[in-house]
Amino acid sequence: GQNIDQPTEMTATEGAIVQINCTYQTSGFNGLFWYQQHAGEAPTFLSYNVLDGLEEKGRFSSFLSRSKGYSYLLLKELQMKDSASYLCAVRDGDYKLSFGAGTTVTVRA
Amino acid sequence: IAGITQAPTSQILAAGRRMTLRCTQDMRHNAMYWYRQDLGLGLRLIHYSNTAGTTGKGEVPDGYSVSRANTDDFPLTLASAVPSQTSVYFCASSDSAGANHEQFFGPGTRLTVL
Repeated sequence: GQNIDQPTEMTATEGAIVQINCTYQTSGFNGLFWYQQHAGEAPTFLSYNVLDGLEEKGRFSSFLSRSKGYSYLLLKELQMKDSASYLCAVRDGDYKLSFGAGTTVTVRA
Repeated sequence: IAGITQAPTSQILAAGRRMTLRCTQDMRHNAMYWYRQDLGLGLRLIHYSNTAGTTGKGEVPDGYSVSRANTDDFPLTLASAVPSQTSVYFCASSDSAGANHEQFFGPGTRLTVL
């Protein structure tokens, strides 16, 4: 199985940068996903990493180090609408996802 | 509009009753999944189906059953509901032929078992 850890909560100011870390211990690895979930809504896909390095997509970037079992999601130029939970998920060799408990990010004005 | 639909949106159920949560997707995705989401525990996989006609057990399958008679539909059945099955249930689908095989989620069903 998978053991996935991420911080429970983070708070940041509008316009700032926040980095959400995710560490994992896995019995099989076939990619790491980040999802965003607003309160009362479904998770939506943000990013995918399967090779080491940084993937950039607009204000959001995701990094992966497979040897360290580590990833982070970087949110730049924070906006109020970025207040949400951010879910780290690891995919195994059977294409099943295991999710961390999620990090709730609160953006203050 | 393409996507995943779930029904009902919410339900209050007496313990011991049978309940089927419906999930339908129109994206022709081969794989479908059922998760439950509980505060502090995140999303946990209940059952999955890699293709029509096949199903598999996830992390928390006890008390739940699924079927996959066709590509589009993946119902989840609680044979005899218990209060610990109070949760938000999400259905998801993915296309294994796609680049990332990302999962797309339905809007969820909020279930309360009393």
